[in-house]
Amino acid sequence: DTAVSQTPKYLVTQMGNDKSIKCEQNLGHDTMYWYKQDSKKFLKIMFSYNNKELIINETVPNRFSPKSPDKAHLNLHINSLELGDSAVYFCASTLDYQGTYGYTFGSGTRLTVV
Amino acid sequence: GDSVTQMEGPVTLSEEAFLTINCTYTATGYPSLFWYVQYPGEGLQLLLKATKADDKGSNKGFEATYRKETTSFHLEKGSVQVSDSAVYFCALSPRDNYGQNFVFGPGTRLSVLP
Repeated sequence: DTAVSQTPKYLVTQMGNDKSIKCEQNLGHDTMYWYKQDSKKFLKIMFSYNNKELIINETVPNRFSPKSPDKAHLNLHINSLELGDSAVYFCASTLDYQGTYGYTFGSGTRLTVV
Repeated sequence: GDSVTQMEGPVTLSEEAFLTINCTYTATGYPSLFWYVQYPGEGLQLLLKATKADDKGSNKGFEATYRKETTSFHLEKGSVQVSDSAVYFCALSPRDNYGQNFVFGPGTRLSVLP
């Protein structure tokens, strides 16, 4: 299936732990993103990579570090997890860096920090 | 910067009622406009799009027309079903500027009652 796939779907962890979320797209898209969705469904962009190059890095704590080994993968590593990091994290990709033709989203990773 | 405003929800309708979700935007260029739908527990899916003024996007009985003169892209459906219950996001792609974020509205939750 052609898609954006992210793992894991659910992640429950304790404060202070370090965790990673992986994302892969097989659509041949050039640009990939990480978004955070809060409990009110508001979407906030975190990072964007175009052909493995970081192009958007919003005001996000430096505990969050994206890594793009190739243009089909964009992983998100989070150090020293805090309660406020609990949210749903979505990976997405677009054909071009402006999203002219729309985004394709993964199904999300629900992170719960306890 | 560019922005998207949507009517606040939640919107509650009876099955077969007519749906309108208002969306207006501000943009310096000529953006592409989108509606995304998020069903419970899932990622966002592209519902429809329009890339230039007076274009009408349509899918699954939903439609929206790109109105440049009123900077609007209202979502409509003639007869909603219980299965349409979801959160709907209006969004724009600012095509003119490198590095500009794709902009999402805050989302409107729709509940359709049998």
